[in-house]
Amino acid sequence: AQKITQTQPGMFVQEKEAVTLDCTYDTSDPSYGLFWYKQPSSGEMIFLIYQGSYDQQNATEGRYSLNFQKARKSANLVISASQLGDSAMYFCAMRDFNTGTASKLTFGTGTRLQVTL
Amino acid sequence: DSGVTQTPKHLITATGQRVTLRCSPRSGDLSVYWYQQSLDQGLQFLIQYYNGEERAKGNILERFSAQQFPDLHSELNLSSLELGDSALYFCASSRTSGLGNEQFFGPGTRLTVL
Repeated sequence: AQKITQTQPGMFVQEKEAVTLDCTYDTSDPSYGLFWYKQPSSGEMIFLIYQGSYDQQNATEGRYSLNFQKARKSANLVISASQLGDSAMYFCAMRDFNTGTASKLTFGTGTRLQVTL
Repeated sequence: DSGVTQTPKHLITATGQRVTLRCSPRSGDLSVYWYQQSLDQGLQFLIQYYNGEERAKGNILERFSAQQFPDLHSELNLSSLELGDSALYFCASSRTSGLGNEQFFGPGTRLTVL
């Protein structure tokens, strides 16, 4: 069974600094995808970044990058130059595709990030 | 705005009642997913439909059912509601059910069962 672990329930970072949110995963499937979502206090889930298990390079999207270490089964999210608007809950998620139909996302418990002045 | 719409935004009802949550996926998306977010269970996958057919099932209770219609909108039906069903229910959609297709989430329906 798939499992996503986010060990940091809460994190603080100063504005303009970089922050790393940890995510480790467990799966026996060779093909999988890793996702990060942001959930602000308003409640919506915002897609941030995606990394495929066979991708050779780490994914980047603007200020977001994914530090993918396959051997360690980790997919940490790095946010550079933090902004006050980055304060939110962040979820790591995984999807496997081995069965061809299991497209569900398995989520971690989330990390609450607070950006301070 | 993800392009996924969900109605209603809030729903307050009593135990034992039945409610229907509605979701319209992004234009062109064939796959619809339902998730439940509660304080004690976190974010859990309920069910997935692809082009009208059920594709994957998660921790969905027998009291819950869903369907996807020919116009691709989906409905999640919750019956014999219990206090523990109070949660934020998300619908998400993706282009296909393929691996790299990110799921775009709707704003959610907050269900309160009194």
